[in-house]
Parts: sequence; structure tokens; C-alpha cells
Amino acid sequence: QKEVEQNSGPLSVPEGAIASLNCTYSDRVSQSFFWYRQYSGKSPELIMSIYSNGDKEDGRFTAQLNKASQYVSLLIRDSQPSDSATYLCAVNQAGTALIFGKGTTLSVSS
Amino acid sequence: EADIYQTPRYLVIGTGKKITLECSQTMGHDKMYWYQQDPGMELHLIHYSYGVNSTEKGDLSSESTVSRIRTEHFPLTLESARPSHTSQYLCASYASGANVLTFGAGSRLTVL
Repeated sequence: QKEVEQNSGPLSVPEGAIASLNCTYSDRVSQSFFWYRQYSGKSPELIMSIYSNGDKEDGRFTAQLNKASQYVSLLIRDSQPSDSATYLCAVNQAGTALIFGKGTTLSVSS
Repeated sequence: EADIYQTPRYLVIGTGKKITLECSQTMGHDKMYWYQQDPGMELHLIHYSYGVNSTEKGDLSSESTVSRIRTEHFPLTLESARPSHTSQYLCASYASGANVLTFGAGSRLTVL
């Protein structure tokens, strides 16, 4: 059974702080890793993808991948109240459907 | 803006009714998916298709059925709706080259 594990939270951070979201996965042959953001009542939207070990930066977001530890994380710098949402980690092998974690709820207080 | 459309956005119906949730995409993607999500809960894959005349069941058992007669169209049908079917149904399509899964706005179904 392929699994993607996330701490459900809520993770609470003050405005301007760094939010760190973590995800582990069980299938060692997973090749692609994604972070989706989902606002309440809305559908998920892709914010980051990462395929190779190391860091990938996009604006205030940094995704980190460690395949040996089967671990992927998302850092949000200078967190804003508008970042308050549920963040979904997803993994897949080439050509297969994405498997999603349960999501981590982030709350950024002003 | 994603070119994947779901209708209806909201539907309230009585038990025993047949319903079809529509999903269309204009991007020419071969791979399409249906996920089910209860409020505040995780996404569960219920059906997927890798092309015309191809349909498969997902990880979560569902009483719904799907069809893929045209590339752009992937409707989901419930022959006899029950209150346990109350949920949000999210359609998505996959761009293989870009390795990106894009979701529609969702259909929120309430069965009384």
C-alpha cells in the first residue's frame, strides 16, 4: 500500500515567519513530488514540483527532497495570512496517478 | 487559468435519483481522474482513464461509474444516489509532458 504521510496540524506561525511543512512517503520508486495548496471549499492548486534530491526555490517557496530518507518538505518564507490553507503533498511514479497525503493545515496570524 | 470544467458546481438531490457529474477539458490530455473529498478530509482517487475507452477504478471503492468516449469528456454517474454519496467530487487532467495534474473547480453533491 503506497502511503504519503503528513502531520495534519494545525501549524500556526506568525506573519513574517518561516513555515515548514513535512511529508514522508513509503514507495521508494516514487519519482515525482508535488506540493498543492487548497483553500477551504476550493480545489487544490499546484505550487511546487520537485524531482531531484536537493532544494528547489520559487519565490517565497522552497521544496526540499531527500530520496534516501523518503522525505520531502516545503518551506514558506515571510509567511502571509493569505498563505493560510491546507498544503497537500503528492507523489507518483512515471505515468501513474498521484497519491495525496491528508494535508497539513497552516494558519498564519497577523 | 486551467481549462478543465465541471458541472454542476453544486447539486442537491433526493435519495434514489440518478446523477451525472460532467467533466471536460480542452487541453487534449489523455489522462483524466476523479477524486472524492469530504470536507476537511483527504483526497481519494475513485476513477481514472488513460485515454478513450480506458477506465479503471481507483484506490477508494466507489459505487459510481465513469466513461471515456471522447478525449475531452470524462463524466461520472451514480445510478441511485444515497446520503453516503454526499461529498465533493474533483475532476483532474494530467499533462504528461509538463508532469502537472490540474483540477477542476469541483462538484459538491448533497444527497438528502
